[in-house]
Amino acid sequence: KNEVEQSPQNLTAQEGEFITINCSYSVGISALHWLQQHPGGGIVSLFMLSSGKKKHGRLIATINIQEKHSSLHITASHPRDSAVYICAAVPNTGTASKLTFGTGTRLQVTL
Amino acid sequence: GAGVSQSPRYKVAKRGQDVALRCDPISGHVSLFWYQQALGQGPEFLTYFQNEAQLDKSGLPSDRFFAERPEGSVSTLKIQRTQQEDSAVYLCASSLGVGALEQYFGPGTRLTVT
Repeated sequence: KNEVEQSPQNLTAQEGEFITINCSYSVGISALHWLQQHPGGGIVSLFMLSSGKKKHGRLIATINIQEKHSSLHITASHPRDSAVYICAAVPNTGTASKLTFGTGTRLQVTL
Repeated sequence: GAGVSQSPRYKVAKRGQDVALRCDPISGHVSLFWYQQALGQGPEFLTYFQNEAQLDKSGLPSDRFFAERPEGSVSTLKIQRTQQEDSAVYLCASSLGVGALEQYFGPGTRLTVT
């Protein structure tokens, strides 16, 4: 079992829909990242959070430390949001440097 | 300002060849990370540098993989005697301080071993 699990693996939505991507982790963490990866490989960091909620434009990320669960929400989705979204945990044991990644959620937003 | 850059962006190697992948982190960033991302998978940790010191290399899959950062800035990931299973995107990331917080990723190098 992976230490970081995402769902769904694939998601297709129509433009304007509200989207939720879930991330569960089984290790203690000091922070969790949400990353966006476009075709071609480049990764952009969307959020880093250790508690509560963060919002940036149409993107919202929440985390519940007790339940070991985080969600990424996209409001009013647009085709340009099509990408792979990856959550990555920073474990709070061992080497603080390691990120442990989920396998990603491939989002396709259609017109 | 310039972000993290990697070169080459694409590399095709014949099985058995040696390859060297370069990462230029953001100037002044102390921490540097290498990750390997197989097709359809999330990235996996390979190794971590704090300045020139390689503090964690537990993710390197075999002794054919070697990384260095001799002056605490540019880093090179070398793969000797490449195998088909080495085909992946190799990602480099850097962060200003110690540890993994707020990492900035490069565009990656896509390695294909034929």
